[in-house]
Amino acid sequence: DGGITQSPKYLFRKEGQNVTLSCEQNLNHDAMYWYRQDPGQGLRLIYYSQIVNDFQKGDIAEGYSVSREKKESFPLTVTSAQKNPTAFYLCASSMEYSGNTIYFGEGSWLTVV
Amino acid sequence: QQQVKQSPQSLIVQKGGISIINCAYENTAFDYFPWYQQFPGKGPALLIAIRPDVSEKKEGRFTISFNKSAKQFSLHIMDSQPGDSATYFCAAGASGSARQLTFGSGTQLTVLP
Repeated sequence: DGGITQSPKYLFRKEGQNVTLSCEQNLNHDAMYWYRQDPGQGLRLIYYSQIVNDFQKGDIAEGYSVSREKKESFPLTVTSAQKNPTAFYLCASSMEYSGNTIYFGEGSWLTVV
Repeated sequence: QQQVKQSPQSLIVQKGGISIINCAYENTAFDYFPWYQQFPGKGPALLIAIRPDVSEKKEGRFTISFNKSAKQFSLHIMDSQPGDSATYFCAAGASGSARQLTFGSGTQLTVLP
């Protein structure tokens, strides 16, 4: 089945540790995105990538890093510099940017303990 | 100018009633307005979308009304069902923008049986 796969679904991290969330898509989409979701605040854009080896900061990029070495993969690293990392993280992709439908993965819950 | 304001934050409707969720935007460059439906623990899924060349779009029980002069758009769910209980997000995007979408803060809809 075509789609976006995020892993792990649930992740616990100790303060001071980096953690990487995986996102893989087999939709042959060019653009990929990472959003953060907190209760009552909607979805906020962390990073986005239009093509391989290129990515741009979104609205809340501080404390996060990404890479785009392959078209189908866009991992997100939550670093120890992120002050409040506990959240629901959503990966998404679209055929290209510019107003096309974006499709979301099932999300990853990150809890800092 | 990137904000999309959504109301109400929560909505309770009786089965068979009409659910109405409103959104307003400021950026006149926005030309794509989708609505997403999200069930708990899942990623958002596209429900219906509209572009500003039409004032209304209907798909089954779901209708988007769009008022370009007022910079507002709304989602109407006719004959609301308990299975419609979910969080609904409006969004707005601009052609040529690699950032894709700006999301509203979400509306938690509960349809009582």
